[in-house]
Parts: sequence; structure tokens; C-alpha cells
Amino acid sequence: DVKVTQSSRYLVKRTGEKVFLECVQDMDHENMFWYRQDPGLGLRLIYFSYDVKMKEKGDIPEGYSVSREKKERFSLILESASTNQTSMYLCASTLTDRGRLGYGYTFGSGTRLTVV
Amino acid sequence: LAKTTQPISMDSYEGQEVNITCSHNNIATNDYITWYQQFPSQGPRFIIQGYKTKVTNEVASLFIPADRKSSTLSLPRVSLSDTAVYYCLVARRGNQGGKLIFGQGTELSVKP
Repeated sequence: DVKVTQSSRYLVKRTGEKVFLECVQDMDHENMFWYRQDPGLGLRLIYFSYDVKMKEKGDIPEGYSVSREKKERFSLILESASTNQTSMYLCASTLTDRGRLGYGYTFGSGTRLTVV
Repeated sequence: LAKTTQPISMDSYEGQEVNITCSHNNIATNDYITWYQQFPSQGPRFIIQGYKTKVTNEVASLFIPADRKSSTLSLPRVSLSDTAVYYCLVARRGNQGGKLIFGQGTELSVKP
């Protein structure tokens, strides 16, 4: 089975801190995604990447950046954390062919980030 | 991508069949209807996908009428372990890598 691993399950950071959320997948997937999930809003796409060093903005990229230096790793960066970035963050990956077909996404278990 | 609308929550009892309907009025010709399931403290996982008529797998059935403006996910004889949030999405095939746009989902609660 494909495994998507997010480095932390729970994280507490202070306002203004630079925060790194790490995601690693072990099945050579080309595509990787970062979502945030909030009550009543479902999952919203922050950034995604189709290949190493490539990135594209999702629906809510403001306040975030990403890095993909290696195929298996996709990092989400909060440049200066704010309380409105308190949320559950989910990473996902898929093969290009399956992504084009709209299925076969594998999600990590999520990182619950609290900014105080 | 087409926006989807589905009920916020549903209640059911063990052993019953559950039908969750999703509307997607602006679905395009090359869009596919896709459903994901999310258990508490886990990421979503793919359940089923279809284009038209009926699709069935070991987990669920998906019914899509001819106009494709809605779809119904059917879960036969639910158990307590089917308590989860169910997301209806419209996925456009052909986009490089694709991307999934999630709505609010339907929170299904199965009671004993």
C-alpha cells in the first residue's frame, strides 16, 4: 500500500513563527497536494506539485509557500504563522495517470496545527 | 470544476441502506463523479467513481441519471464502522495530474 507520512500529528506554534510541515510518500508518485480542513468548510486546496521543483497555487495559497526538492517530499511552509492558520493540514499524493482520472489519491493522517 | 451540493448530515441505523444524494448542476462532458470517505482522525480515501448509469464495487454503488446533474451514493446495510464523512466531487479527467476540489461533505452517523 502507498503510504503518505506527515511528520507531526500535533503541533503547537506561536504567532509569527516560521512553520514547516513535512510530507513524505513512498510510492514514487509524481503529484503531491496540501489541503487544510476546517469545520464547516471541508477540505481546501492550498498548493500542489506535479513534479520536482514545480508548484502551483490552489484555492487558498495566501500565507503559505511550498518546497519540493525531491520527488518523495513535499513541504508546506507558513512564513509567519497566524492564529487563523490553526487547522488540520492534510497531504496527498497520486500518480499522474490516476490523478488525471480523478481517483487513486492517498492521503496522510493529517497534522493538527494550533497557532497561539 | 463543477460545484457540488450534498446534505450536511444524515443519521441511520445499523443494517439499513443509506443513500446520499449529491447535485452537480454544472457538470461538464469530461467530468467524472467521484466519492471519498473520511473517518475521524484520518485522511479521505477513494470509494467509487462513475460517469453515467450505475457503478458497483465491494463498498458501494453509485447511481447517475442520464442528465448527470446529480448522483446517489448507496451504502448497503451500513454498520457502525461506516460512520464517516462522505465527499462528493467532480473530477475532470485529462488535467495534468488532476486536482480534487472538496465540498463540505455529508457526515453520516450510524447508530446501533
